[in-house]
Amino acid sequence: AQSVTQLGSHVSVSEGALVLLRCNYSSSVPPYLFWYVQYPNQGLQLLLKYTSAATLVKGINGFEAEFKKSETSFHLTKPSAHMSDAAEYFCAVTPNTGNQFYFGTGTSLTVIP
Amino acid sequence: GAGVSQSPSNKVTEKGKDVELRCDPISGHTALYWYRQSLGQGLEFLIYFQGNSAPDKSGLPSDRFSAERTGGSVSTLTIQRTQQEDSAVYRCASSFSGLQGYGYTFGSGTRLTVV
Repeated sequence: AQSVTQLGSHVSVSEGALVLLRCNYSSSVPPYLFWYVQYPNQGLQLLLKYTSAATLVKGINGFEAEFKKSETSFHLTKPSAHMSDAAEYFCAVTPNTGNQFYFGTGTSLTVIP
Repeated sequence: GAGVSQSPSNKVTEKGKDVELRCDPISGHTALYWYRQSLGQGLEFLIYFQGNSAPDKSGLPSDRFSAERTGGSVSTLTIQRTQQEDSAVYRCASSFSGLQGYGYTFGSGTRLTVV
């Protein structure tokens, strides 16, 4: 079975501070992992994805995530938060077989000026 | 089209009425997915299409929910005899060929409110 756990439904950081959004997964087979961002009143946009190549994945807007198999984690980071990063972030996992993505419940990021 | 288009963007309906939600995927994307996002919840899988067939409809919550896809393109999600618990944002996504490594492209969703 596949599932995703996002620790912290709300995260607040100061502008310029490190952003760390946590994602842990469970998967019975080697997974593909994704982070999506949802800005207010918009659809979900793909930030980055891990598909069994490099374990450190760089995405758009300065975000990156590292796949750690031993910790079953795929945490999202950004060195310096910007006001425009305020959004909802979703981690998703899919086995490399089958068709369904499993999403976490999301983390709402607030950036404090 | 350039992106996944969903209509209507907002729908308010009375309990017991039927509603149809439309999704127009990116041209050339053979895989199409419907998800539901309730307030404060993550995305709940409803159904997956590959072309016009639906090999995985395991997420449809009841027989009031159905979906079809025609011409390998537009999909319609129909909810019959709507209930208040059906209120949610219904999100459609498409993907090139359904291969997992590509990820999805989502539409902006249809916000359904059942009163």
